[in-house]
Amino acid sequence: IVLTQSPGTLSLSPGERATLSCRASQSLDGSKLGWYQQKPGQAPRLLIYAASTRATGIPDRFSGSGSGTDFTLTISSLEPEDFAVYYCKQYGRSPIFTFGPGTKVDIK
Amino acid sequence: VQLVESGGGQVKPGGSLRLSCTASGFSFTSHSMNWVRQAPGKGLEWVSSISFGSTYIYYADSVKGRFTISRDNAKKSLYLQMDSLRAEDTAVYYCARSIDTIWYYFDQWGQGTLVTVSS
Repeated sequence: IVLTQSPGTLSLSPGERATLSCRASQSLDGSKLGWYQQKPGQAPRLLIYAASTRATGIPDRFSGSGSGTDFTLTISSLEPEDFAVYYCKQYGRSPIFTFGPGTKVDIK
Repeated sequence: VQLVESGGGQVKPGGSLRLSCTASGFSFTSHSMNWVRQAPGKGLEWVSSISFGSTYIYYADSVKGRFTISRDNAKKSLYLQMDSLRAEDTAVYYCARSIDTIWYYFDQWGQGTLVTVSS
């Protein structure tokens, strides 16, 4: 399964809403789709698992949705610390795990 | 919770390197563990996973037959033996913990160790 993320870069201002897309080449079990955030020079952090469940400690401005081949990560109102790269990841058969290429959210 | 990787460095093509990840602050034996890498300026690539009892082991096709994952639960340590290294293996290697109840999500990550394969 190949994951495609769009857009490649999203330029927004603090306070704006961010909508990030992750599309799979085949239908996915939504329980196997997650989102990770990575800031420059830092390790990734789990944001969302099972398509829509926030990981421990993740603010409620982050939400996930979707099913089948189309999944979305939404940040309702961008905070300065949210400018980062976001990756979707799926768990499947072979390869076991696939990451999308990432969407960079930068400051407009 | 802390994961600390070590063992990275520069190695020539065809060479070997062994990465270690030392865990603290949680019950190591309750979690599957994973290695994920990131080439300079690139995205994330899953490398390998091992179940808590080492019963189940998985590799990405790109490293299968060259890398070996293992763990020592008594030492709370995860390892990645990397042989026949290639230039394309150059990356930061992250150790990542799986959620105890949902092993296919990685909820804690180390800061990574850089492996450079160059002549």
